[in-house]
Parts: sequence; structure tokens; C-alpha cells
Amino acid sequence: NAGVTQTPKFRVLKTGQSMTLLCAQDMNHEYMYWYRQDPGMGLRLIHYSVGEGTTAKGEVPDGYNVSRLKKQNFLLGLESAAPSQTSVYFCASSSPMDRSVWNQPQHFGDGTRLSIL
Amino acid sequence: KQEVTQIPAALSVPEGENLVLNCSFTDSAIYNLQWFRQDPGKGLTSLLLIQSSQREQTSGRLNASLDKSSGRSTLYIAASQPGDSATYLCAVHNQGGKLIFGQGTELSVKP
Repeated sequence: NAGVTQTPKFRVLKTGQSMTLLCAQDMNHEYMYWYRQDPGMGLRLIHYSVGEGTTAKGEVPDGYNVSRLKKQNFLLGLESAAPSQTSVYFCASSSPMDRSVWNQPQHFGDGTRLSIL
Repeated sequence: KQEVTQIPAALSVPEGENLVLNCSFTDSAIYNLQWFRQDPGKGLTSLLLIQSSQREQTSGRLNASLDKSSGRSTLYIAASQPGDSATYLCAVHNQGGKLIFGQGTELSVKP
């Protein structure tokens, strides 16, 4: 029962470096999400996808790019890391039974702890 | 803009006590409201999901209520146990299809 798997779990980057965070889900979910969690800010949506080949901006998309080439994978990229992107990143997935309403719970991975020096 | 607030930010209770966590939201046009649990260093686990047409949901010792008109939800935990210690987050699903989270209530249940 893997569910939602995020890699890597920890990473330290220098300012200006690039990296990609990988999220994989084995539940055949249509929807996938990337959030960041910061102290005092709660979780904020970065980008999301409602299906293979589609992506959309969330609340805080600047500085990030995403891709959903395969249904089971959702990649989050940082092209030029900045200290403000130090955070814990969570991926989630869900699969609404009815596409007209969002009535299914989101399943979360364990997070990626990213530090930008 | 939807805003979700959770009070209190932290709560410490003795084992066995019943407790209530509060969540309020500013825009009543929601699809559903979800309560999550987050253990330190871990992701979020969904506890209860209440549809906008429902008033409450129950799972074991947990009961969540929803009053859309007043923009409030409560999570009631009966007979609390040390294993209930965690951060509890509520989130509303806007009609735009996005989850908006509160900042969480950190619960500590003392043996």
C-alpha cells in the first residue's frame, strides 16, 4: 500500500541551483497537487493537475514549474532556487467519483524537506 | 478570498478529557470541509470529510460538524488519548476546486 510517494525526503540546495521533486501515486487518481507548508502559513497550493498532460496554477505558483506526463507522476521543478523556497513540500492526489464536485479526500505523501542556503 | 482560521493554535489536555477544536471560514460557498491529522515529520491523514449538504460526520471517537451559514466547523474528540497528540488541520474545498487550509491546532494529550 504505497499510496503517495515523494522523493527525495530531504535536500539541501544552494541559491540558484535547480532540482526536481518527484511525486508518484499508485491509486490511479486523476487529480494531483503540490503544496508547501511553512510555519504560521499553513499549507498553500502551488500547482495542481486534473489529469495527464494538464496543469494549473494554485495560490503560490511563482518560481515553480510542474509537469504531468504520466497519470501516476507529478513533478515539481525549481529552476533557480531561492532561500524563500525553503519549506516542506507535500504532494497529494484524489479521485472524485463525480467530476462535477470535489467530494473525495486528498491523500498526502510524507513530504520533502527542502533547505535553500 | 477564502480564509480559514483555527482556534486555538495549541491545546493541552489530560488523558480522558473530551475536547473540541474549532475551524471558521469566511466564504460559505464550499463543496466540502475536511479535517486532517498531521504527526511530526509526516504528511496529512484525512480524518473526516463533510459535504456541504451534510451537518456532521462521525468516525469512532471523532465527530465533525459543519454549519455553512455561520462559516464554522468543530471537531469533537471523545475520551482523548496520548495517541491523539498531533496537529489537526481543517481545510475547505472551494468551488474553484482548491483546498484552503487553516494553520492547525497542535494538540497534546498528557497521560
